[in-house]
Formats: sequence, structure tokens, C-alpha cells
Amino acid sequence: QAGLTQPPSVSKGLRQTATLTCTGNSNNVGNQGAAWLQQHQGHPPKLLFYRNNNRPSGISERFSASRSGNTASLTITGLQPEDEADYYCSTWDSSLSVGVFGGGTKLTVL
Amino acid sequence: QVQLVESGGGVVQPGRSLRLSCAASGFTFSSYTMHWVRQAPGKGLEWVAVISYDGSNKYYADSVKGRFTISRDNSKNTMYLQMNSLRAEDTAVYYCARGPPGGYEHWGQGTLVTVSS
Repeated sequence: QAGLTQPPSVSKGLRQTATLTCTGNSNNVGNQGAAWLQQHQGHPPKLLFYRNNNRPSGISERFSASRSGNTASLTITGLQPEDEADYYCSTWDSSLSVGVFGGGTKLTVL
Repeated sequence: QVQLVESGGGVVQPGRSLRLSCAASGFTFSSYTMHWVRQAPGKGLEWVAVISYDGSNKYYADSVKGRFTISRDNSKNTMYLQMNSLRAEDTAVYYCARGPPGGYEHWGQGTLVTVSS
């Protein structure tokens, strides 16, 4: 089944900015947009954004999201130790009628 | 507040069956699409199945199609996942999640299913 492509790992320094990417195709990210989830070890995922850049209440403004064509991006500014986590993108594939996730990016804050 | 509580996980032999439940509270369950998502140990998230608010539409991942059945009982605010012909590769934490396809707003804590002889 179709999957979304994310870099396996990203490392950035404290207070720096990290940009995570998620690449799909015209049947998923390109026409459905993408959501972003954060998962800390041993915990369920937490929604950061849905439909590209809609932020649920309670999510820090240090997080922002965007989309260009078939690629979605999550940007985290002023990195903090608590931002160290796995980040997943997700969407719906309208051609296959299935949910799809990226493989996840492990963000390390140095 | 929205609460989703999964149950029914455990250790099961290959080829056997198991039924998971997801009890919902804190919202109008019958108005929302619901999903099952799983995560194998040390691996990423994998979407399993979705059911529409009224149960009329259901979709499955290829990896479980024909073996798993998603259902819901809106009178009991509960969603189910009937898992048949279980395989070792079905071993995972199974989460229920609420939200539109692709955008999972709320998650349960998960229930662990281990398929092993």
C-alpha cells in the first residue's frame, strides 16, 4: 500500500529550528493534506496539526506546518528537550481508500 | 473530556482469534468516524481500519483485509475489532482513535496483542 516518506532521524541543537518533511503523492498528501503527530516513548501519539496547518488547542505556537504540492513540512522553532520524540505524518489516500502514515522521524535535541 | 479505553488484548496463538473493544466517553460517539491503528514493538504507526459514524462504511489495510472486521455499537458507545487468523506479524499495541481519515484527534492508551505459540 502507499506510504509516506519521512527521514528516519533529524538532530538539532537546543533552541535551534528543525524542519521535518513528509512526501506522498497526488492521491494522498497532494489532495488530502497531512496531519502531524508527536509520540514520546511509551505514550500514545498526540495530534499536532490536521489538514496541513490547523493546530488543535493547547499545541505550542513553536510548532507550525505547511504543504507544497505532495510534500508536507513540520517546523519546530526554539527546540526544547521535551521536543525530543518521534514525529509521524498521516493522511488518507483517496485512490486506495486507506489511511497512510509516514515511517516516522526521530528528532534528537542535542 | 474525550476518553477512549481499549481492552481485550493478550497473548494468543497463531491462527486463533481475539476481539478488541474501545469504550468511548465524553463526546457523542455516534457522530464520529473511528479508527484502529497499531504499532509493532519498536516500529512505526500502521493504520488498520476505519468505520464511519453510523457503521455504514468500513475500510481496511491490505495487511488485515479478510481477517479483521471493524464494527461499532453506538448504543453502547463502543467500537470493536474482531481479529481472526492471527499471525506473528499482528503483534502490536492496538490503539483506537477518533477523527477524520488521516487526522486522529484523540487516542486511547492502547492494548497489547501478542501472537505467539
